[in-house]
Amino acid sequence: QVHLQQWGAGLLKPSETLSLTCAVYGGSFSDHHWSWIRQPPGKGLEWIGEIKNDGRSTYSPSLKSRVSILRYASTSQITLKLRSVTAADAAVYYCANLRGRSLWGQGTLVTVSS
Amino acid sequence: DTQVTQSPSSLSASVGDRVTITCQASEHMSVYVNWYQQKPGTTPKLVIYDASNLETGAPSRFSGSGSGTDFSFTITSLQPEDAATYYCQQYASLPFSFGQGTKLEIK
Repeated sequence: QVHLQQWGAGLLKPSETLSLTCAVYGGSFSDHHWSWIRQPPGKGLEWIGEIKNDGRSTYSPSLKSRVSILRYASTSQITLKLRSVTAADAAVYYCANLRGRSLWGQGTLVTVSS
Repeated sequence: DTQVTQSPSSLSASVGDRVTITCQASEHMSVYVNWYQQKPGTTPKLVIYDASNLETGAPSRFSGSGSGTDFSFTITSLQPEDAATYYCQQYASLPFSFGQGTKLEIK
């Protein structure tokens, strides 16, 4: 059974870089494309970007200038980096495979405060 | 970019009622639509994939239909535990997008 586990710093100061990691356990890492999604408190779901199994990434136009998603096949992990965070980036961040029978990580709450 | 318009934004219904939520896409999406249920403080839970396939473990009172640009999610015989927010999500083309969400309240 495939399982996603994510981790990373939960408290950032404005202008810092958000960095999260998502590990895929139980196989099939290379069979899927992996996305990051976020959800601000009390709001809806926002897609951040996807990295395909060939390493190509596509990002949300609204975040493209600040975001990067990488994959590491040797460890079955993907990472999210979001530069120059502000209070508007405070949210629960999820990793997931969104195509078809999607699988989600448990979510990581990120707070931005000086 | 494909825009997804979900309606209604909120809904109140009684136990036993039939409720339907719709999503309309700005471009053709074939059947590449998922539906999720999210309860407060929890991760979105997949209930329908590929527009009409019931995810394992999801109640059989849940169903999805549609193709192209118009999709719907229906709950027949509403139960108290169905109170949640429901989202559609398209994966036909990048960038992916989610509907705005429908908050379902049980009267």
